This record gives sequence, structure tokens and C-alpha cells, in this order.
Amino acid sequence: DQQVKQNSPSLSVQEGRISILNCDYTNSMFDYFLWYKKYPAEGPTFLISISSIKDKNEDGRFTVFLNKSAKHLSLHIVPSQPGDSAVYFCAASAQGNTPLVFGKGTRLSVIA
Amino acid sequence: EPEVTQTPSHQVTQMGQEVILRCVPISNHLYFYWYRQILGQKVEFLVSFYNNEISEKSEIFDDQFSVERPDGSNFTLKIRSTKLEDSAMYFCASSVDKVGTIYFGEGSWLTVV
Repeated sequence: DQQVKQNSPSLSVQEGRISILNCDYTNSMFDYFLWYKKYPAEGPTFLISISSIKDKNEDGRFTVFLNKSAKHLSLHIVPSQPGDSAVYFCAASAQGNTPLVFGKGTRLSVIA
Repeated sequence: EPEVTQTPSHQVTQMGQEVILRCVPISNHLYFYWYRQILGQKVEFLVSFYNNEISEKSEIFDDQFSVERPDGSNFTLKIRSTKLEDSAMYFCASSVDKVGTIYFGEGSWLTVV
């Protein structure tokens, strides 16, 4: 039962270009979405979040877009840097009602 | 910057043995969590804890698992009789409130042999 899906297991992008990581969800009750970044042998690190009342949230090089009608969100990283190479997890919850549900992750490789 | 800390970072145990994983959540946080990630799989929710009791648990969190907050700072996960399939990275996490961002520790890698 995959309520949060990240269909691309991996993505390679050249340094300086845009990285776009996608996430789809099936549970219409989800109203809070987060992106976490994870390096090998480390815990997930919070990156950026968005509430369902917004369709965009920006923090420096990172922007998250939410399309509620399509139940789709994406994370844009511009410009991509080699240090961005990591596994990115999309997570979702229904505020106050459910624990975070994670996608399987997308491994981003930024090539210099 | 405050962070969630976990010990041990890696533990190898024999099947059937008891294991205790320890966590120190961020000090002003009130909600505590355990998640796990089996190698190659997604991060899965195990249990959440608030006000000295379990508030939610997943079907993974069966009778062999228990959590405790033995004092004002530690939060522990006990696995009573470990099985091979318990081998995973276990992440402790905490948040200020139920709707806040959850912050994760670096994980405890458990290997059951």
C-alpha cells in the first residue's frame, strides 16, 4: 500500500542545472508535505515543507510545488551542486492525525 | 543547533537476544518517534509517543517491541527477542508538537545474526 510514491529511484543531473524530484500521493487526507535529504549512514535531514493551503514554497535553492488536484508535488533544486547528491524522501501526513508516511526515495547524483 | 542523538550507532546481536536502542530527543520537543529502514526499502513508521504513552503504532510494532521514557531526557526502543528480519537502521525522531516538523537522529544500525 504505497500512499506516497516516488517513481524515479534515481536521477542524474549536471552541476549548475535544475534537479526536479517528483512525488505522488494517493491519500486525499494528506495536507502537509515534507522533503528530507539523506546521506548514507545518516538520518533523514529536513529540507523543506509545504502545507496544502499553498502551492509553492521556496527556500534558497529549493522550491517545492504542490498540485493538489493531481496529488503531485515536486522539489526543484536550482542550481544543483555536487553536495546535493543524496537520497531525497518525500513524506506526507494529515496534520494532527497521522504519522509521516515516506516514499521510497530518489537517489540524486549531481555530476561536476 | 539542537539535534536528536542516538546510541549505539551500530549493534550486532544474536537472534533471540534483547536489544535496547537509546535516543535523546531535542530538549523542548514533546513528541517522540521511532522509524526504521530495512536496507533498500523505505523509511517506515513504528511508533509515536507523547505524554508518557504510545499515541500511535504501526502493525510492525508488535508485542516484541516496547518504548519507554525512563527519565526526562532518554527515549528507548526495546526489541525483546530479535529476529533476522529486525535487521535495519532504526531512526529516533522528535517534534515540538503533533503537527510540527519531525527531526531525525542519525540512526542505529542493528544487525541480527
